Amino acid sequence: NAGVMQNPRHLVRRRGQEARLRCSPMKGHSHVYWYRQLPEEGLKFMVYLQKENIIDESGMPKERFSAEFPKEGPSILRIQQVVRGDSAAYFCASSQTGANTGELFFGEGSRLTVL
Amino acid sequence: KQEVTQIPAALSVPEGENLVLNCSFTDSAIYNLQWFRQDPGKGLTSLLLIQSSQREQTSGRLNASLDKSSGRSTLYIAASQPGDSATYLCAFNDYKLSFGAGTTVTVRA
Repeated sequence: NAGVMQNPRHLVRRRGQEARLRCSPMKGHSHVYWYRQLPEEGLKFMVYLQKENIIDESGMPKERFSAEFPKEGPSILRIQQVVRGDSAAYFCASSQTGANTGELFFGEGSRLTVL
Repeated sequence: KQEVTQIPAALSVPEGENLVLNCSFTDSAIYNLQWFRQDPGKGLTSLLLIQSSQREQTSGRLNASLDKSSGRSTLYIAASQPGDSATYLCAFNDYKLSFGAGTTVTVRA
């Protein structure tokens, strides 16, 4: 049973470009969460999605960041016009039930470097 | 807003010694908590999940306790091994996970 799959594992972008990070949850999981880990900082919640719905995006920056979890295919975290401050590790997690009851399983992360 | 504190920030012990990692939180309205392990450059591995109605969970050499009244959780690792060297994170689930900054453990052979 494959775990949470994230790709790419490493991504380099120049300032002003777009970054797209993909996450395939564990089989049977319909809840997806994105977290960001800045260098020397802890993990911060960004967004919580269920299939086709954004449940909570209170941790997402208001501009340039968006997330989706379509009916078919992986969840996508999209960062437009990247800046150096976006350099971080972005982790995706999934759970079978909602966050308030289920165990969360994390992927290996996507490490974004903005030049 | 949930605040999560992990003490100590770093810990170095000789192999075979027992480890005690502490985690405190400010809001007792939690659903559950998870302890994770993170190796450098890697993702998070779930170690233990404790539901709010439980007081502890055990898995092999690992034991985690939860005391909601005092706002604390403790992770015990018995008979530490060099392979236990990693950063350990606690996360409280008050609908979405709030993470502590972690305790970085080094077990010396």
